[in-house]
Amino acid sequence: GESVGLHLPTLSVQEGDNSIINCAYSNSASDYFIWYKQESGKGPQFIIDIRSNMDKRQGQRVTVLLNKTVKHLSLQIAATQPGDSAVYFCAESGGSNYKLTFGKGTLLTVNP
Amino acid sequence: DAGITQSPRYKITETGRQVTLMCHQTWSHSYMFWYRQDLGHGLRLIYYSAAADITDKGEVPDGYVVSRSKTENFPLTLESATRSQTSVYFCASTQSTPDTQYFGPGTRLTVL
Repeated sequence: GESVGLHLPTLSVQEGDNSIINCAYSNSASDYFIWYKQESGKGPQFIIDIRSNMDKRQGQRVTVLLNKTVKHLSLQIAATQPGDSAVYFCAESGGSNYKLTFGKGTLLTVNP
Repeated sequence: DAGITQSPRYKITETGRQVTLMCHQTWSHSYMFWYRQDLGHGLRLIYYSAAADITDKGEVPDGYVVSRSKTENFPLTLESATRSQTSVYFCASTQSTPDTQYFGPGTRLTVL
């Protein structure tokens, strides 16, 4: 069946380092991908998204890379800060266009 | 700009009782969603609505009822709460699909 998963359940980095969070998906029909950040006790917060006609998209300190050949998505956070500590989810949409399928999340911990 | 709000934020109830969780958005988004979030399962879609008076089941709809008489409100009712419905519930909305879904702060529900 369709699935969206993460390679690493936890990631610990030093403040100022760059972070990379990975995500694999299995639905080749997926055409929209999105990353969310969730802090403890809060709802998921939109970070960045990308559509399947793009390979890369940049935001403020964040970059999403999409490799459709191997069905892989990654989130890069530049100069990671303590405030970046949270759970990060990837999600994809394809086929049923109303629905987002979420991965289980990666916990990012930034050490000062 | 209030965005999307949920009430109550915390609720404790007993098995067999009816519980209604409220969701309100101020953006006039067409689509609204209810998810539950449990450890080990990530975010799972319960119900969604494409417009007022249009609702449909998601991945885990059993034991839940929704209605949408107004565009801005999307209440979720547990008709007879069970312990397995103990979870954190998130409401989300978006204007079009596939596109970014914006999440509320969540309701933590405990069924004793």
